[in-house]
Amino acid sequence: AQTVTQSQPEMSVQEAETVTLSCTYDTSESDYYLFWYKQPPSRQMILVIRQEAYKQQNATENRFSVNFQKAAKSFSLKISDSQLGDAAMYFCAYCHNAGKSTFGDGTTLTVKP
Amino acid sequence: DTGVSQDPRHKITKRGQNVTFRCDPISEHNRLYWYRQTLGQGPEFLTYFQNEAQLEKSRLLSDRFSAERPKGSFSTLEIQRTEQGDSAMYLCASSPSVQGYNSPLHFGNGTRLTVT
Repeated sequence: AQTVTQSQPEMSVQEAETVTLSCTYDTSESDYYLFWYKQPPSRQMILVIRQEAYKQQNATENRFSVNFQKAAKSFSLKISDSQLGDAAMYFCAYCHNAGKSTFGDGTTLTVKP
Repeated sequence: DTGVSQDPRHKITKRGQNVTFRCDPISEHNRLYWYRQTLGQGPEFLTYFQNEAQLEKSRLLSDRFSAERPKGSFSTLEIQRTEQGDSAMYLCASSPSVQGYNSPLHFGNGTRLTVT
């Protein structure tokens, strides 16, 4: 069974600084998708960024980028120029087919002004 | 895009009662998912529909749980004989079907269930 591990329950960053959230996963599949979702307090979960496993190039979305290491089964999220609005719980998710996505237990990110 | 809508937002019920939640996905999305999230944990997959067909169910979905999507549009999740361990946030998500591609999930705000 696929598992997703986020080893940092909590992280904090100073406003305008850079922070990296870690995620590792376990799978025997070669073709899959990885996602980072953001869940602000009392608000719905939204997509931050996604990565197709067959693509070697790391995905980037504005201030958000990933470091995808397929052999190491690692998928970290880097947030540059952190903003107060980035404070949220961040979930890493794995999806092999159109069925279930498997989520990690999340990292709570605090942004200090 | 009006977003995924879930009703009710909160539900408090006594142990042993039945509850039903509703989810209205984004209209052009034919895939619909139910997840359960407890405090401090990530969402756990419960079940998944493509159109009206329920294609996958988690072992977490005991026989007290049933989900339907009768016309391939909205979905309901019913929990019979609720137990205190059922207290959680129930999340609905939808996504479009694009062959050979896994679209990201679009989540609703969830229904928070408290069983007393």
